[in-house]
Amino acid sequence: GDSVTQMEGPVTLSEEAFLTINCTYTATGYPSLFWYVQYPGEGLQLLLKATKADDKGSNKGFEATYRKETTSFHLEKGSVQVSDSAVYFCGFGNEKLTFGTGTRLTIIP
Amino acid sequence: DAMVIQNPRYQVTQFGKPVTLSCSQTLNHNVMYWYQQKSSQAPKLLFHYYDKDFNNEADTPDNFQSRRPNTSFCFLDIRSPGLGDAAMYLCATSSSREKWNEQFFGPGTRLTVL
Repeated sequence: GDSVTQMEGPVTLSEEAFLTINCTYTATGYPSLFWYVQYPGEGLQLLLKATKADDKGSNKGFEATYRKETTSFHLEKGSVQVSDSAVYFCGFGNEKLTFGTGTRLTIIP
Repeated sequence: DAMVIQNPRYQVTQFGKPVTLSCSQTLNHNVMYWYQQKSSQAPKLLFHYYDKDFNNEADTPDNFQSRRPNTSFCFLDIRSPGLGDAAMYLCATSSSREKWNEQFFGPGTRLTVL
């Protein structure tokens, strides 16, 4: 069935390090792809999205590219900050959202 | 600020004792969703309302019901909570069915079943 597999956490990085959180999906057709972020004590927020192959979503220095050939949507950021500490959820959908299990990211000064 | 509010943030109930979780929104969105998120698992859609039109997911247990008395409020009722229903319950909204991919989430209610 349809599913999302994302990198297991927790992930701990030093400030200004490069971040990659891997995400792959299994779905019929070509769904839209998303990254949502959940900061401590808050609800999930849409971080970025891509709706078709080779699209690149970007926001707040984060990027992810829709790779149809590898069914992947890896999240990257060139230089992370302490304020990026949160749980990141990869997701896809055609008419509803299907999420991965989330990756907890902690950035240490 | 427009937002999605969930009350209470933490709810404790006893095995078999009915419990209601509340969600309200000031966004005036047509669609409201309820998700269940168990520990270390992905959020799972239980059902959603498009206006007053209720849409249940096929695998949502009958134990879970929902009410939407008006645009702003939506309730999740668990008729007879079991230990396996302990989870975080997330409410979300979107402005329209077409905007299903841009959902606004509340902070969640963590339910404990004793």
